[in-house]
Amino acid sequence: AQSVTQLGSHVSVSEGALVLLRCNYSSSVPPYLFWYVQYPNQGLQLLLKYTTGATLVKGINGFEAEFKKSETSFHLTKPSAHMSDAAEYFCAVRPGGTSYGKLTFGQGTILTVHP
Amino acid sequence: DARVTQTPRHKVTEMGQEVTMRCQPILGHNTVFWYRQTMMQGLELLAYFRNRAPLDDSGMPKDRFSAEMPDATLATLKIQPSEPRDSAVYFCASGLNPGRGQETQYFGPGTRLLVL
Repeated sequence: AQSVTQLGSHVSVSEGALVLLRCNYSSSVPPYLFWYVQYPNQGLQLLLKYTTGATLVKGINGFEAEFKKSETSFHLTKPSAHMSDAAEYFCAVRPGGTSYGKLTFGQGTILTVHP
Repeated sequence: DARVTQTPRHKVTEMGQEVTMRCQPILGHNTVFWYRQTMMQGLELLAYFRNRAPLDDSGMPKDRFSAEMPDATLATLKIQPSEPRDSAVYFCASGLNPGRGQETQYFGPGTRLLVL
């Protein structure tokens, strides 16, 4: 079974500041991990994903995340926040190495960016 | 630019009425997912199809919900009878060959349902 915990339902940063959104997972098998972003009144859009290989993955819009197996974490970061980054972010996990595609999502973190 | 489309985008109905939501997956995708999003429960998987066959519908209330794929270009989610607690945003997502490097699920814009 898989589960995802996103620490902090709301994160507020100033424009230009570091963005850090936390995600911890639980999985009985090696996981595949994802970050999705949802803008108001829209569907989810994939930011980045980790399946195998390099543990630091880069995504769209300057975001990146690092898979840390020892910490069961997959935190999302961006060096410098932009106003357009304001959205809700979801971390998700699914069983790795299988063809079973069901994603388990975290509760989401709303990112607010102040001028 | 291939996208998942969903209709209707918004639906207001009265308790007891039947609701049908439709999804057109991206052409060529062989997996389809239905999710429900609420403030209280977040994103929940309702049903999961691969090659039009249901793989997992354990998250779906069987007494009132049904999901089908009449053909590869159409997925439907029906609620009969609808109840106020069904008010939510329903998302459809499609993907290709999970487990073969094609892990991304592409989400539609959602159907916002309000049951009065």
